[in-house]
Amino acid sequence: DAMVIQNPRYQVTQFGKPVTLSCSQTLNHNVMYWYQQKSSQAPKLLFHYYDKDFNNEADTPDNFQSRRPNTSFCFLDIRSPGLGDAAMYLCATSSWGTGRSYEQYFGPGTRLTVT
Amino acid sequence: GQQVMQIPQYQHVQEGEDFTTYCNSSTTLSNIQWYKQRPGGHPVFLIQLVKSGEVKKQKRLTFQFGEAKKNSSLHITATQTTDVGTYFCLPLMDSSYKLIFGSGTRLLVRP
Repeated sequence: DAMVIQNPRYQVTQFGKPVTLSCSQTLNHNVMYWYQQKSSQAPKLLFHYYDKDFNNEADTPDNFQSRRPNTSFCFLDIRSPGLGDAAMYLCATSSWGTGRSYEQYFGPGTRLTVT
Repeated sequence: GQQVMQIPQYQHVQEGEDFTTYCNSSTTLSNIQWYKQRPGGHPVFLIQLVKSGEVKKQKRLTFQFGEAKKNSSLHITATQTTDVGTYFCLPLMDSSYKLIFGSGTRLLVRP
């Protein structure tokens, strides 16, 4: 089945220790997103890729970076995690363009704990 | 800038009662999407509304898009325990790829 996969599902890192979260998709969608979701809050968009074009949200901290080496994969790098970065990180994909649906398909998320 | 309000924040109903959540925008939208997130799960797409005044149904769920394309609602008839979760709206604008989910309405259903 076509899907969005996130690894790992649970990640524990130490304060200040860089961490990378990964996302892959078999939907061949041209847009990939990274969201941060804290408890009882809505998902908050960090950035998205439209094909290879990177779009950063204005209020996304510099501590968060992303890479999309090809259509299928996207990575979220947190350079120096702080306690406030503990959250669920959701990857999503979508298909943009004329005649496309724009609905987002979410992966199961990676729950990040910072100790 | 675009302002979206989703209400109520939280609703606790008896199984069999109806439930409605509303999403209101300060600006005209091109379309609006609705998602459901079960406890411990990830958001799942429910529907997209595009046309002014559009009404769509999915079994016990009824989705409406206002005539002015500034507000939308999701109504569940005769709630069941499987409806438990948080319902989010996601307003979309032609002029912007900015994606801001509504704050969500958390639904709890007493069996």
